[in-house]
Amino acid sequence: QVQLQESGPGLVKASQTLSLTCSVSGGSISSGGYYWSWIRQHPGEGLEWIGYIYYSGSTYYNPSLKSRVTLSVDTSRNQFSLKLNSVTAADTAVYYCARDEGAGGYYLHWGQGALVTVSS
Amino acid sequence: QSVLTQPPSVSAAPGQKVTISCSGSRSNIGNNYVSWYQQLPGTAPKLLIYENNKRPSGIPDRFSGSKSGTSATLGITGLQTGDEADYYCGSWDSSLSAYVFGAGTKVAVL
Repeated sequence: QVQLQESGPGLVKASQTLSLTCSVSGGSISSGGYYWSWIRQHPGEGLEWIGYIYYSGSTYYNPSLKSRVTLSVDTSRNQFSLKLNSVTAADTAVYYCARDEGAGGYYLHWGQGALVTVSS
Repeated sequence: QSVLTQPPSVSAAPGQKVTISCSGSRSNIGNNYVSWYQQLPGTAPKLLIYENNKRPSGIPDRFSGSKSGTSATLGITGLQTGDEADYYCGSWDSSLSAYVFGAGTKVAVL
């Protein structure tokens, strides 16, 4: 059974860079066929797709965040990561990593979520 | 403002049926698959329906999905108190080149 787990600082200062890592167990990122994604949820609000990365390193970002987002993958550690720069209070959210079963398809496996608060 | 439109809330008595609508456009629901997610308080979303009407292993057949044109519907029959949650629809949007979600519908069991 595939499991995902987010890790990273829960508090980030405004204007700095938010960094999170998703560790995958029960399956190999490098086996291909899946798209490793980040989705966030602002407090009390709905879900917002951030983007996905394939094991090869190819990426696809939400146009609304594209200028500030970088996704990367480390197949040797079976991890993928999110960096969001120039954060503001509006980036305070629960960040989920998830496995996209088919490039904009659907999300069967999710991490438990990591709350990141941006402080001034 | 979400690209996919859902009602804010629906409710029904235990054992009854509810339906949740998800309205979009040709660039999303009209030409791409729809999936549905259940989110219990404080937990990650859980996939209920994928590719419009398919259920992952372990999801009871009380949950069903359908799609017609640019709209999709999630149905829940035999409503249980454990079904109280937020439900989200999602689809790829070819115009935005992004995966989009509805704003969510809160299901209340009266």
